[in-house]
Amino acid sequence: DAGVIQSPRHEVTEMGQEVTLRCKPISGHNSLFWYRQTMMRGLELLIYFNNNVPIDDSGMPEDRFSAKMPNASFSTLKIQPSEPRDSAVYFCASSPRQTTGELFFGEGSRLTVL
Amino acid sequence: GEDVEQSLFLSVREGDSSVINCTYTDSSSTYLYWYKQEPGAGLQLLTYIFSNMDMKQDQRLTVLLNKKDKHLSLRIADTQTGDSAIYFCAESMRMNTGFQKLVFGTGTRLLVSP
Repeated sequence: DAGVIQSPRHEVTEMGQEVTLRCKPISGHNSLFWYRQTMMRGLELLIYFNNNVPIDDSGMPEDRFSAKMPNASFSTLKIQPSEPRDSAVYFCASSPRQTTGELFFGEGSRLTVL
Repeated sequence: GEDVEQSLFLSVREGDSSVINCTYTDSSSTYLYWYKQEPGAGLQLLTYIFSNMDMKQDQRLTVLLNKKDKHLSLRIADTQTGDSAIYFCAESMRMNTGFQKLVFGTGTRLLVSP
């Protein structure tokens, strides 16, 4: 059974460029989460979807960030325009139920913005 | 507020026991979790404890919960070099939507030397 699949694993881009991170959750999981991990701030929840609908996006840092989940098997996190302070590891996680704290994480996308 | 605290670093010798401590803030948390993150990977759920329990044992892992002091600990018996990783505790906070939001601690880096 495949786990949560994220792409790309690594991305290096220049300030001002658009970045799109992709996630395929585990089949049958109806909750999907995007987290950001940095040394300074640790793990931060950016946005949470349940049944493809965004439920809580209060963690999205600013309007430059947007996330979509067009269907149950795919989600994107987009940063436009990117800035050096967006450099971080971005994790996608899925869960079989919205009332559980059991999350299954992908391997992460390491973003470096120069 | 949301503040889950852990010590940053723990070093032990192979075969010794490791104890990783955590303090959390939300006394209404239903579950408390321990996640493990190996280098270059996402977080993986290790174990969890229901808030009405004091202790939970799972093979080499023992979780102790002191609700009065809001203190959680993870003991790893017979620590192996493969246990070297970052360990995160997390508390669940129930939102109005019914969603269980996980608030992660800062993580404790465990280094096991031969």
